[in-house]
Amino acid sequence: DVKVTQSSRYLVKRTGEKVFLECVQDMDHENMFWYRQDPGLGLRLIYFSYDVKMKEKGDIPEGYSVSREKKERFSLILESASTNQTSMYLCASSLLGGKVYEQYFGPGTRLTVT
Amino acid sequence: AQKITQTQPGMFVQEKEAVTLDCTYDTSDQSYGLFWYKQPSSGEMIFLIYQGSYDEQNATEGRYSLNFQKARKSANLVISASQLGDSAMYFCAMRDGSGNTDKLIFGTGTRLQVFP
Repeated sequence: DVKVTQSSRYLVKRTGEKVFLECVQDMDHENMFWYRQDPGLGLRLIYFSYDVKMKEKGDIPEGYSVSREKKERFSLILESASTNQTSMYLCASSLLGGKVYEQYFGPGTRLTVT
Repeated sequence: AQKITQTQPGMFVQEKEAVTLDCTYDTSDQSYGLFWYKQPSSGEMIFLIYQGSYDEQNATEGRYSLNFQKARKSANLVISASQLGDSAMYFCAMRDGSGNTDKLIFGTGTRLQVFP
C-alpha cells in the first residue's frame, strides 16, 4: 500500500514564525502536491512537484514556498506565518503522466497560527 | 477555466438506502479524468472511483458507481445500500488536462450523513 506521511497532525505556531511541514511518500512517486483545505472552499493547490528540485506554483502559492531535495520528500514552508494561513494542509503523491492515476493523500496537518 | 461544482453542501440518507451526490464540471478539453474521494472525520482523503472521458461505460467499484453524462458534463456519485460508515465529506475532482501536469481540481465537497 502507498503510504504518505506528514510530520505533524496538529501544529500551533505564532504569527511571524517560520513553519516547516514535511511530507514523505514511500512508493517512488514522481508527483507530489501540497493543498490547503478550508470549509466551503474545498481543496486548493498550493504547489506541486513532478521531479526532484522541480516545483510549480498552484492556485494559491502566495506566502508559501516548497523544497524537494529527495524524491520521497516534499516540504512546505511558511516563511512568516500569518493568521490567515490557519488551515488544514494535505500532502499527496501520484505517478507521473497517467491521467488515470489517482493521488494518494497523507493524514493532513491542522495548523493554527495565533 | 476548468471548474468542478458540487451544489449540495449536505445530504442525509437513511441506512440501506441509495444516495446520489451531484457533480458538474466545466472543461474545454476532450481528454480528462474525473475522480471521487471520501474524507472521513479522521481527515485522510480516500480514493473511491475514477471515470475517463473516453470510457464508454460508467465506472463501478463495489457499492459506488459513477453516473457519467458527458453531454451534460455531470459525474454524479451513486452510493447504494448506504452504511453508517459512509458518513463523511465527499469530493469530486477533475484531472487538469490542459498540459502535461497531473493536477487535480476539486469541488467544494458534500457532507453526507447516514442515519439509522
